[in-house]
This record gives sequence, structure tokens and C-alpha cells, in this order.
Amino acid sequence: DIVMTQSPLSLAVIPGEPASMSCTSSQSLLHSNGYTYFNWFLQKPGQSPQLLIYLGSYRASGVPDRFSGSGSGTHFILNISRVEAEDVGIYSCMQVRHTPWAFGQGTKLE
Amino acid sequence: QVQLLQSESAVKKPGSSLKVSCQTSGDSLTNYAITWVRQAPGQGLVWLTGSIPALGTTTVAPKFRDRFSISMDAAANTAYLEVHSLQSDDTAIYFCAGAPVTADYYMDVWGKGTTVTVS
Repeated sequence: DIVMTQSPLSLAVIPGEPASMSCTSSQSLLHSNGYTYFNWFLQKPGQSPQLLIYLGSYRASGVPDRFSGSGSGTHFILNISRVEAEDVGIYSCMQVRHTPWAFGQGTKLE
Repeated sequence: QVQLLQSESAVKKPGSSLKVSCQTSGDSLTNYAITWVRQAPGQGLVWLTGSIPALGTTTVAPKFRDRFSISMDAAANTAYLEVHSLQSDDTAIYFCAGAPVTADYYMDVWGKGTTVTVS
């Protein structure tokens, strides 16, 4: 099974400042079709997860452009250009390339 | 805009069974791939199962294959997660998520979660 490892596990950022977090997969998530099957989710306190980034770098519908995703087959980064108060929560990466799909342990943004 | 409506919270005894429902309100269940995820108290998200009702396909994570199963009621636009032989560490919030059938990774619609306590 693929293991997803996130770092850091917690991150404190001043509003208006940038934030960055990473996720590493134990196997490549790159498909022969050229797409990388990797998502980022944000779970705000007391809420369900929400999709931020899909296929490694594409923003989901309605996601502000301050969020960006990048990476290769095994190493991925989520950047927030200017953190806002509403961005607090737990950010989870997820591989959707091979079953069983798997999440990382989460990065808590404060 | 489709909503995923989940069943209410439940308290179950160890060894009993559980059935959590997820209804696609506002659209047909067969237009979606349904994923089930759970989150134990203070823990991260764990992928349980994925299914495409229109195709009749279901994949259950090997770790849960012996006790977890999926069923569907297309007429009621409802998917069900069934858990048998409940254990204390099954205590968690269970979420269903919906994605387009042709892009089952695009989980952009989520239910509010069903809190299950095994005690």
C-alpha cells in the first residue's frame, strides 16, 4: 500500500504571510496518461473536508487563486500566497492513483 | 446543486452492526462515484471504500474488507456503508463524498458526516 507523509505536522502563520507544506508518496502517482493522481483537501474546524487541488495542480471550482499545488510523481507542495484567517484548519493530501487510496496524516495550519 | 444527506449519529454496542446512509439529494445516485472516509477522534482521514453505482463496482480497503460493505438503493438515490462486528476503534465520524462518474478523484461534494460511537 502507498504511504503518504506530510510535513510539517503543524504550521503557524501570520495573516498576510505565505505558507507552504509538503506531502511525499511512497510510490509514483504519475499515470501513463500524463496526469498525477493527487489531491489536497482542507478541513476547517467542525466541517467536512473540501477539495482544494486535484490532479496535483488544478484548483477545484471556487477555490481562491492564493492556493496553488505543484510537484512531481512522489513529492508535492501546497502553497498559500497570503494566508487569511479563514484558511485555518487541517490540510490533508491524498493519493488516488492506486487502491487503496490513502491520505496523509494532515498538517494543521494555525 | 447536489447535496449528500447522511443519516443521524448513532451509538452502538460492540459486536453489533451499523448501516450509514448517504443520499444524493437533487440528483441521481448513478451520476456519482461515492467514496466513504472516516475520521477517528483527533485523528486524520482514512479512506474506506469507493464505488460507482452506475457500473456496480466497489472497492474496499483491504484492512476493512472483512467487516465493511457497500450497498445501494438506486430508486432512493442512496448509498449505504455497512459495518459488522463493531469494535471500539470504529468510533469515528463517517463521511461520504461524491465525485463525477468520469472523474472519481474529484470529490467536491461531501456529506456533513455521521458520528458513530461504539460503547
